[in-house]
Amino acid sequence: DIQMTQSPASLSASLGETVTIECRASEDIYNGLAWYQQKPGKSPQLLIYNANSLHTGVPSRFSGSGSGTQYSLKINSLQSEDVASYFCQQYYDYPFTFGSGTKLEIK
Amino acid sequence: EVQLVETGGGLVQPGKSLKLTCATSGFTFSNAWMHWVRQSPEKQLEWVAQIKAKSNNYATYYAESVKGRFTISRDDSKSSVYLQMNSLKEEDTAIYYCTPSFAYWGQGTLVTVSS
Repeated sequence: DIQMTQSPASLSASLGETVTIECRASEDIYNGLAWYQQKPGKSPQLLIYNANSLHTGVPSRFSGSGSGTQYSLKINSLQSEDVASYFCQQYYDYPFTFGSGTKLEIK
Repeated sequence: EVQLVETGGGLVQPGKSLKLTCATSGFTFSNAWMHWVRQSPEKQLEWVAQIKAKSNNYATYYAESVKGRFTISRDDSKSSVYLQMNSLKEEDTAIYYCTPSFAYWGQGTLVTVSS
């Protein structure tokens, strides 16, 4: 199975700041990577697919980048509604696997 | 608007069975590759199963942890996907979500396996 190592586990930042979350795959996943946002008590919502494509309706302050085994999610101009947990997922190979999540809080 | 409504969860004893249903609308279900994903009480997400479309011969795939115990199926006439869960274990306790290619997610249904 492809292991997804996500960091940091938690993150505290101020409004307006830029934050970055990293995800490392145990092998090359050829950009088969998605990022999800999950607000408390809600289901996950797709933000980014194919490593850098923005899902419909997602604000442009979210962006994804990376290749090979290293990927990142960047949130520009942090807003209060961005408080959530963020998960990466590889869908390059079965079984599809998720990172352990990053909990983002406002300082 | 895409809608996914999961039902069928509940409290069940170890070794028993449960069948989850996901009713969908707002997209062309017959063409969609459908998945079940679960989230443990520790908030870890785990992909459970996938069923592809008729054009892909309804091919199915499973996580090793559920292979042989869970069965995913679909009814294109009802735009619904199902998860038959047999021989349930306490570690199957989770919120179960259905999703078309991970693009949209339902609200989930809670399955608790406990004696």
